[in-house]
Amino acid sequence: SQTIHQWPATLVQPVGSPLSLECTVEGTSNPNLYWYRQAAGRGLQLLFYSVGIGQISSEVPQNLSASRPQDRQFILSSKKLLLSDSGFYLCAWSALRQAANYGYTFGSGTRLTVV
Amino acid sequence: QQPVQSPQAVILREGEDAVINCSSSKALYSVHWYRQKHGEAPVFLMILLKGGEQKGHEKISASFNEKKQQSSLYLTASQLSYSGTYFCGTTQYNQGGKLIFGQGTELSVKP
Repeated sequence: SQTIHQWPATLVQPVGSPLSLECTVEGTSNPNLYWYRQAAGRGLQLLFYSVGIGQISSEVPQNLSASRPQDRQFILSSKKLLLSDSGFYLCAWSALRQAANYGYTFGSGTRLTVV
Repeated sequence: QQPVQSPQAVILREGEDAVINCSSSKALYSVHWYRQKHGEAPVFLMILLKGGEQKGHEKISASFNEKKQQSSLYLTASQLSYSGTYFCGTTQYNQGGKLIFGQGTELSVKP
């Protein structure tokens, strides 16, 4: 069965520090991968999505970036965190060729607090 | 473009029914529904693909009117476990399955 792993679960980082969040999927190949952010009490904002290795689409211009160095690995990064980067970061995957036909499976999320 | 959900919040007593609506100004390919408990990740409930399609999942069902770009989630005989925030997500044609979520509807079921 497919599983998605996301870490760390919680993170407290000072303003201006770098960030690296990792997400890996097991039990499937060629998944679509997504990063979402959820501010406290708010909805889910799509940040990046990837349909293959090295293919990244950015939805919101900001100081975050994403990379997909391997088929089942998706990384969210920042060189310098801002206070506004605080939030609940969720990685998700769906079947590649039929992404619109299948539900997304989310990782357990990373709660980031920038101080 | 983000779909619009209504209502923003609803409070029910156990056993009561609720309807959550989701609408878009764009032509839709599919509508997804998710439930998120506080502090947890969203969990997939169901997906609707065709105009006029309706799906059921125990006492939770949904409909999708493709022509009107609207979907509704129906919760009948609500249980305490139904509490949480419900999100609809929509995909459009030729967008590679990219899912855009509505702002959410907070549902509280009281004993």
